[in-house]
Amino acid sequence: EAQVTQNPRYLITVTGKKLTVTCSQNMNHEYMSWYRQDPGLGLRQIYYSMNVEVTDKGDVPEGYKVSRKEKRNFPLILESPSPNQTSLYFCASSWAGPDTQYFGPGTRLTVL
Amino acid sequence: GQNIDQPTEMTATEGAIVQINCTYQTSGFNGLFWYQQHAGEAPTFLSYNVLDGLEEKGRFSSFLSRSKGYSYLLLKELQMKDSASYLCAVVYSGAGSYQLTFGKGTKLSVIP
Repeated sequence: EAQVTQNPRYLITVTGKKLTVTCSQNMNHEYMSWYRQDPGLGLRQIYYSMNVEVTDKGDVPEGYKVSRKEKRNFPLILESPSPNQTSLYFCASSWAGPDTQYFGPGTRLTVL
Repeated sequence: GQNIDQPTEMTATEGAIVQINCTYQTSGFNGLFWYQQHAGEAPTFLSYNVLDGLEEKGRFSSFLSRSKGYSYLLLKELQMKDSASYLCAVVYSGAGSYQLTFGKGTKLSVIP
């Protein structure tokens, strides 16, 4: 089944404790992206990747890191999480940039 | 990021027609998506417009005017299950990169 998977789905952590949210797709898509969704602010792009080893900042990259070492995986790293990073995070992928994006199920992160 | 404007909330009656508008900044425009998102779930693709005109897909249609920076999503024969948020998203491109910017979404409530 073609899908985008994210892990974990739910995470409660404390300020400053490094964490990684994994994202994997099995559709051989070139383009992958991370978004955060907050009430009243909508979906905002954090980082995106056009292909392996190519990443670019989105609208809200501060406090996040990404890597794209292989086509199927695009992990989101929070080196030192803070409470303002409490949010619902979505990973998405598509064949190329301007193309239909398929979203993962979301990761609800709470930073205390 | 670029500003994308859409109404925050709309209410419509089951069986009726509703039009959700979206306006955006035209500089760097490279396509427009509409996504549907039910509460607590991931967005799902509805339509993609890159050329001017109307695209029809069953009960849903989407219109684009590139010169006016305007799009709308038209939902016909509304059903209760259409109660959801509808997200307008614009692809902005430049120097070989593509960035997808979402509006804040329009929450549609369908009432009996």
